[in-house]
Amino acid sequence: EPEVTQTPSHQVTQMGQEVILRCVPISNHLYFYWYRQILGQKVEFLVSFYNNEISEKSEIFDDQFSVERPDGSNFTLKIRSTKLEDSAMYFCASTSGTKPAYEQYFGPGTRLTVT
Amino acid sequence: LAKTTQPISMDSYEGQEVNITCSHNNIATNDYITWYQQFPSQGPRFIIQGYKTKVTNEVASLFIPADRKSSTLSLPRVSLSDTAVYYCLVGENSSASKIIFGSGTRLSIRP
Repeated sequence: EPEVTQTPSHQVTQMGQEVILRCVPISNHLYFYWYRQILGQKVEFLVSFYNNEISEKSEIFDDQFSVERPDGSNFTLKIRSTKLEDSAMYFCASTSGTKPAYEQYFGPGTRLTVT
Repeated sequence: LAKTTQPISMDSYEGQEVNITCSHNNIATNDYITWYQQFPSQGPRFIIQGYKTKVTNEVASLFIPADRKSSTLSLPRVSLSDTAVYYCLVGENSSASKIIFGSGTRLSIRP
């Protein structure tokens, strides 16, 4: 069964550094998402991406965040200058758009630790 | 998304049937009911979705009464590996909809 993959599984970085989290969505999917989950808290929506542009973003997704689909297979989330409060699990998700919209496929996540 | 209410936590034992009920009194005509499961340190996983009556798949059953103001996720004969957080979502089934997760129900299965 196809699955969403994410790398790295764990990233440790210092405050103020840039990080890039990588995702490979399922190959025939058209809609891509990033979510995050701070330890012990809810899963929060960050951004959705379709047709090479952002379709929606949350208040969390400020100017420090950006997304890109550089080569037709990878989907990346960049945080330009990390803060301590960016420490969280980051999940990538994708959906085909032909199945029910809420049937999104999530990756295993990247645990980001900012020190 | 319609507001949903589900228990914060539930406990059960291996081999039992577990029913988690979700209330969604202001569900709209075009809304679907979707359940996700999240194991510790993993991404959420779609379990089941329905509009009315009953839906069953290899993981669970979803019971939806005629008024659709609530729904019940039924897990038959649970095992320790069913320990997870279960999220009930209600919303219009349109493409590219973001998911707004609530706090979910933390299900703990004991031997």
